[in-house]
Amino acid sequence: NAGVTQTPKFQVLKTGQSMTLQCAQDMNHNSMYWYRQDPGMGLRLIYYSASEGTTDKGEVPNGYNVSRLNKREFSLRLESAAPSQTSVYFCASSEATSNEQFFGPGTRLTVL
Amino acid sequence: QQQVKQSPQSLIVQKGGISIINCAYENTAFDYFPWYQQFPGKGPALLIAIRPDVSEKKEGRFTISFNKSAKQFSLHIMDSQPGDSATYFCAASFTSGGYQKVTFGTGTKLQVIP
Repeated sequence: NAGVTQTPKFQVLKTGQSMTLQCAQDMNHNSMYWYRQDPGMGLRLIYYSASEGTTDKGEVPNGYNVSRLNKREFSLRLESAAPSQTSVYFCASSEATSNEQFFGPGTRLTVL
Repeated sequence: QQQVKQSPQSLIVQKGGISIINCAYENTAFDYFPWYQQFPGKGPALLIAIRPDVSEKKEGRFTISFNKSAKQFSLHIMDSQPGDSATYFCAASFTSGGYQKVTFGTGTKLQVIP
């Protein structure tokens, strides 16, 4: 099993450009999450999806949109990137009956 | 509003020593307290976790101590090794609407020197 995979690993954007971060999991988990990690701030939840077909805002959703394409895939879209969105983005998944979250390797995004 | 406060921000320990990281939380709805370990360039991975009905949990060299009345918990790494050098995040969570609402601490960068 690959676990949670994310693409791309690195990305540089110019202010105003758009892009989609891809995430897929092969553990048949119902719940999926997008976090951003910034120095000194830990991980903050952007959006989550409790099950296929549902998505909800987390702590810092502004400037982002998500799509739960199917049970395996959960994408994060930046419509108009801003320098404040420079961060490392992590996707995670979990079973509905378990507290453990499994994280992907992350996408390091720089917005110039 | 930060609901989980973690200290110290960084920690240097000699090989064989004890590493201690502390966390405090505010929300009494939390019912699961995990610690995640993160190596550079990797995603966090669950290291050990505890529920508030026990005061201590030990897995190998890693121990969580939990004080429900003080709303504090800590991670102790015994016989610290250079391979333990990583960033450690405490977290607190509860289940709501079918998903885990997790609040993370700000992280502690541990360096174990030979």
